[in-house]
Amino acid sequence: EAQVTQNPRYLITVTGKKLTVTCSQNMNHEYMSWYRQDPGLGLRQIYYSMNVEVTDKGDVPEGYKVSRKEKRNFPLILESPSPNQTSLYFCASSPPGRTKQYFGPGTRLTVT
Amino acid sequence: AQTVTQSQPEMSVQEAETVTLSCTYDTSESNYYLFWYKQPPSRQMILVIRQEAYKQQNATENRFSVNFQKAAKSFSLKISDSQLGDTAMYFCAFEPNAGKSTFGDGTTLTVKP
Repeated sequence: EAQVTQNPRYLITVTGKKLTVTCSQNMNHEYMSWYRQDPGLGLRQIYYSMNVEVTDKGDVPEGYKVSRKEKRNFPLILESPSPNQTSLYFCASSPPGRTKQYFGPGTRLTVT
Repeated sequence: AQTVTQSQPEMSVQEAETVTLSCTYDTSESNYYLFWYKQPPSRQMILVIRQEAYKQQNATENRFSVNFQKAAKSFSLKISDSQLGDTAMYFCAFEPNAGKSTFGDGTTLTVKP
């Protein structure tokens, strides 16, 4: 089954404790992306990757890091999480031409 | 940079009636896709309909259709014969061939019995 998986689905952590949210897709897509969703603000893109070893900033990259060492995985790293990074996070991937985005199920992160 | 504006934070419609959600965008790109996604309470993102910018014909998917006005940079979604299961948040999204994606802030649609 074609899918994007994210782990963990839920995470409660404390300020400053480094964390990684994993994202994996099994569709051999080159384009992958991370979004955060906050109430009233829709989805805002954090980082995206057009291919392996190619990453670019989205609209809200501050406080986040990503890596794209292999095509299927695109982890999101929060080196020192802060409460303002409490949000719902989505990973997505797209086939060539960006004809559709396949979204993961979301990760709800709470930073206290 | 492109922008996407959904001017209706909330809308409601009676079951079986028709409703139109508005979306406008601004871009200097010539090749792009526009999308409507549905997000039910489960938070899953579900593709509703897609429009290629180079196509003049408006996309349709069963009860869902769009009114794409490229010159006016308008991309509205029409839902016909509304069903209770259509209750969700709807996002308009802009996808260029390369570069950043942009989503609108969403419209919460409630279908009333």
